[in-house]
Amino acid sequence: GQQLNQSPQSMFIQEGEDVSMNCTSSSIFNTWLWYKQDPGEGPVLLIALYKAGELTSNGRLTAQFGITRKDSFLNISASIPSDVGIYFCAGHGSGNTGKLIFGQGTTLQVKP
Amino acid sequence: DAGVIQSPRHEVTEMGQEVTLRCKPISGHDYLFWYRQTMMRGLELLIYFNNNVPIDDSGMPEDRFSAKMPNASFSTLKIQPSEPRDSAVYFCASRRNRGGGYTFGSGTRLTVV
Repeated sequence: GQQLNQSPQSMFIQEGEDVSMNCTSSSIFNTWLWYKQDPGEGPVLLIALYKAGELTSNGRLTAQFGITRKDSFLNISASIPSDVGIYFCAGHGSGNTGKLIFGQGTTLQVKP
Repeated sequence: DAGVIQSPRHEVTEMGQEVTLRCKPISGHDYLFWYRQTMMRGLELLIYFNNNVPIDDSGMPEDRFSAKMPNASFSTLKIQPSEPRDSAVYFCASRRNRGGGYTFGSGTRLTVV
């Protein structure tokens, strides 16, 4: 089946640094989504991308839908301690099955 | 909007017991999804419904797992009998249309001892 490969698996950075993570797939995805999960909570949608090449920002977060439709990245600028959590990419693949496929997640830790 | 509501938040049960997890989706959302999250496997889709009808249950691990959606505002995930390897966080999520993002509940942390 369709799978998403997300990297890096974890990151430990200093407050103020910029962060970049990405997701790749061997097949085309029609939608890319980025979620953040805080400890003890469910994932929360950060950014949704619907068109190849689309670049969307949400505050300090920026995400892009790759031109090939097989990848996406998420950047966080000037990280702060509350950025700590697990970030998931997700996408709708071909076949209009209606279900999202999730990456394995990137665990982000920010040192004050 | 109260969001997706799951209950209970935490459940500890003994092996062999029946466990029922509950979910109330956001009103007007016509897709409902059940996920399981573990350290080893990440987020796994168990089953999803569209307009209360099960569409894909290929992720349900065994016959011990069953899910129902008797109406648009309620769904259950049942495990009978439960086993220690079922210990995980179970999430319910809902969505309004096919292409949009999901809204997740806060999850039920299940521990089977």
